[in-house]
Amino acid sequence: LAKTTQPISMDSYEGQEVNITCSHNNIATNDYITWYQQFPSQGPRFIIQGYKTKVTNEVASLFIPADRKSSTLSLPRVSLSDTAVYYCLVGSPHTHNAGNMLTFGGGTRLMVKP
Amino acid sequence: NAGVTQTPKFRVLKTGQSMTLLCAQDMNHEYMYWYRQDPGMGLRLIHYSVGEGTTAKGEVPDGYNVSRLKKQNFLLGLESAAPSQTSVYFCASSYGRGGTEAFFGQGTRLTVV
Repeated sequence: LAKTTQPISMDSYEGQEVNITCSHNNIATNDYITWYQQFPSQGPRFIIQGYKTKVTNEVASLFIPADRKSSTLSLPRVSLSDTAVYYCLVGSPHTHNAGNMLTFGGGTRLMVKP
Repeated sequence: NAGVTQTPKFRVLKTGQSMTLLCAQDMNHEYMYWYRQDPGMGLRLIHYSVGEGTTAKGEVPDGYNVSRLKKQNFLLGLESAAPSQTSVYFCASSYGRGGTEAFFGQGTRLTVV
């Protein structure tokens, strides 16, 4: 059973803000929400992580509502170089069981057009 | 800062041949993972390790074996390669489980003919 659900693909234009939403209805109390970015022919790289409310770094913002059943990755003013696949993961650094591994779904393929 | 290094980067095997993929990390991470990624798909977990001397099966372990004799190395073996194992293989490491940041290698592109 997939732990997260995201759109398969999204298109945008340079300079626009892009919001990618991830559903995680069964998120556990100790779970964090983590987003990764993957460029073609490269391994994924961590971009942002949060537990609740809002987190912002130099790359993106992450919005998490109070019920934590979804989250939204926001990329401000995208450029062509933001074309990539974005993965949403949930998991806990504190839960020691086999089900709490780094499980990637299909991700969201973002295409930024000129 | 090497991070996670995978060897080799590319390999072509004939059906039935065997090979070992090496993953090395220099961050003293306890957890290491092997994934495969087929064209246009997400990453699927093959095997993982939660520490030196331990391994466990992931989502798609059949046809693969792993070993973690040293903390910094995680080896993925294919005993008898099949065309269905043609894929890009990624290794990753992290200091903890699901909610911790993972660092990935550059990938190994394997073709089985």
